[in-house]
Amino acid sequence: SQQGEEDPQALSIQEGENATMNCSYKTSINNLQWYRQNSGRGLVHLILIRSNEREKHSGRLRVTLDTSKKSSSLLITASRAADTASYFCATDAIAGRRALTFGSGTRLQVQP
Amino acid sequence: DAGITQSPRHKVTETGTPVTLRCHQTENHRYMYWYRQDPGHGLRLIHYSYGVKDTDKGEVSDGYSVSRSKTEDFLLTLESATSSQTSVYFCAISDRLISGANVLTFGAGSRLTVL
Repeated sequence: SQQGEEDPQALSIQEGENATMNCSYKTSINNLQWYRQNSGRGLVHLILIRSNEREKHSGRLRVTLDTSKKSSSLLITASRAADTASYFCATDAIAGRRALTFGSGTRLQVQP
Repeated sequence: DAGITQSPRHKVTETGTPVTLRCHQTENHRYMYWYRQDPGHGLRLIHYSYGVKDTDKGEVSDGYSVSRSKTEDFLLTLESATSSQTSVYFCAISDRLISGANVLTFGAGSRLTVL
């Protein structure tokens, strides 16, 4: 079963608009991470937020974490056509395997 | 994908044949992982390794075995390939001791088709 579930599954926006993706998870975590995957490529780490943090910024990325609701959101501001990709959340659980559990991803299409 | 390479990148095989995928890293990272990616399922963990000869199962380990005889190589073997193992396989590495967190670096993937 997936630890992280993303919403929406697909998102299409115009360049310059903001894109928001949400992730829900089930167990207690050390941290939550977001990864990006361009078509036909491997995943690339974008940003990490620890369980004791509520918000984190990196360039045009803003991540929030609500551990009481077991949810996170990724906001990409002023999107560009080059942001077109799939985005995955991944959780590093406190208990269990020493491995990340990934959600099913959000496919983002940014129209020029 | 610097520092981590997967081979082969593409393979077509027949049901019942053995297949081995190789992941090679030059980063000297302790942890190595094999995930598979299928539409609608995201990435699912097959096996992982936390050191030479130290491996553990993931959530979809049935039909797969792994070996890690040296730090830089992590092999994934399908003993008798089935059509349900048609997938894209990703290797990933991490070194928690340096980063303090399990941040993964992924290879480019190996696309396997089992006919």
